Amino acid sequence: KAGVTQTPRYLIKTRGQQVTLSCSPISGHRSVSWYQQTPGQGLQFLFEYFSETQRNKGNFPGRFSGRQFSNSRSEMNVSTLELGDSALYLCASSPQGSSYEQYFGPGTRLTVT
Amino acid sequence: SQELEQSPQSLIVQEGKNLTINCTSSKTLYGLYWYKQKYGEGLIFLMMLQKGGEEKSHEKITAKLDEKKQQSSLHITASQPSHAGIYLCGAGRNTGKLIFGQGTTLQVKP
Repeated sequence: KAGVTQTPRYLIKTRGQQVTLSCSPISGHRSVSWYQQTPGQGLQFLFEYFSETQRNKGNFPGRFSGRQFSNSRSEMNVSTLELGDSALYLCASSPQGSSYEQYFGPGTRLTVT
Repeated sequence: SQELEQSPQSLIVQEGKNLTINCTSSKTLYGLYWYKQKYGEGLIFLMMLQKGGEEKSHEKITAKLDEKKQQSSLHITASQPSHAGIYLCGAGRNTGKLIFGQGTTLQVKP
């Protein structure tokens, strides 16, 4: 089975712009979770989608949003980028949900200048 | 303070030596997960522990869960350079969310 894929792998954006990141889960997995990883804050949970519905949400501002499509692929959007949004964004898929083992993609490295 | 505390934060060992990484939760555990990450890359799932007293092994890595202490340990026997990386513990919460410790950076000197 192919693993979790994320596109793009690297991205450079300017403050104030918006960005969309994409995640394709492992075939058959219905849950996709998104995380932000920074040196200062570590790995922090953004949100989880299951069957096209947001099931859990972390403590991030409304500029961070996501969605899931009927084929379980997910996108994450960040509007009005700030310098502090520079991070590695990881998505993980699970057959049932975030309370089970998750399989992570390679991440998207976002740099905001 | 972190809900999941890992210790030590970093570790440098000589190849062939054993080592232990600890993960302590300040809240009730609903499953404990260990992952390994190469810098700047995704996380690789190592093991999941769900029951108190549970112990799992994979190659030279053993993880144990002490539910009463809300603590897990990851032990590597006869470390090799391939074991180098960042080890993260993750814990399920009754909200359904998964939270992570800050990670332990392991360097193995040949």
